[in-house]
Amino acid sequence: AQKITQTQPGMFVQEKEAVTLDCTYDTSDPSYGLFWYKQPSSGEMIFLIYQGSYDQQNATEGRYSLNFQKARKSANLVISASQLGDSAMYFCAMRPLSGSARQLTFGSGTQLTVLP
Amino acid sequence: KAGVTQTPRYLIKTRGQQVTLSCSPISGHRSVSWYQQTPGQGLQFLFEYFSETQRNKGNFPGRFSGRQFSNSRSEMNVSTLELGDSALYLCASIVNPNEKLFFGSGTQLSVL
Repeated sequence: AQKITQTQPGMFVQEKEAVTLDCTYDTSDPSYGLFWYKQPSSGEMIFLIYQGSYDQQNATEGRYSLNFQKARKSANLVISASQLGDSAMYFCAMRPLSGSARQLTFGSGTQLTVLP
Repeated sequence: KAGVTQTPRYLIKTRGQQVTLSCSPISGHRSVSWYQQTPGQGLQFLFEYFSETQRNKGNFPGRFSGRQFSNSRSEMNVSTLELGDSALYLCASIVNPNEKLFFGSGTQLSVL
């Protein structure tokens, strides 16, 4: 079984500053993928970034980077130069890459508010 | 390239009725999965389909069912609706099992 823990229910950041959203995970699967999604108030789940457990380098996608520390089982999302439009709920998720049960397991989310 | 399309966007039903939700995956994606999102339970996996076959099912009662058609479009059905079925239902599509999942905008179901 997999478990995702997001310990920050809410976060505030000043516009143009960087912010780190925490995510720790627990799994017995030998290979897995880690995801971050953004969910604005409209409800759509927007894919942000992906990291495979086998990847040697941390993933980056524009202003998003994933700080992957496998030994500590953490996959924190770093957003650089925050924008007002970044205000949303952010979910960390994982899925095994082997076996038949490959569904996503989500954390409880972090509500990010960017202040002008 | 069009994203994942879910219809309808909003639904209002009464207890005891049934409902069918539709999901059209990204072109070329053959796998579709469904998730339920509620304030109390968060995001929970419902089922996953690949090439018209259900590969995996979450811990939901038999009132929740789904299917996938030959064009990869998927439907999920909920029979005998209960108040607790009120939720945002999200569909995700994927090219192959080791790729990224992309979600649609969801269907917001309200059961009165």
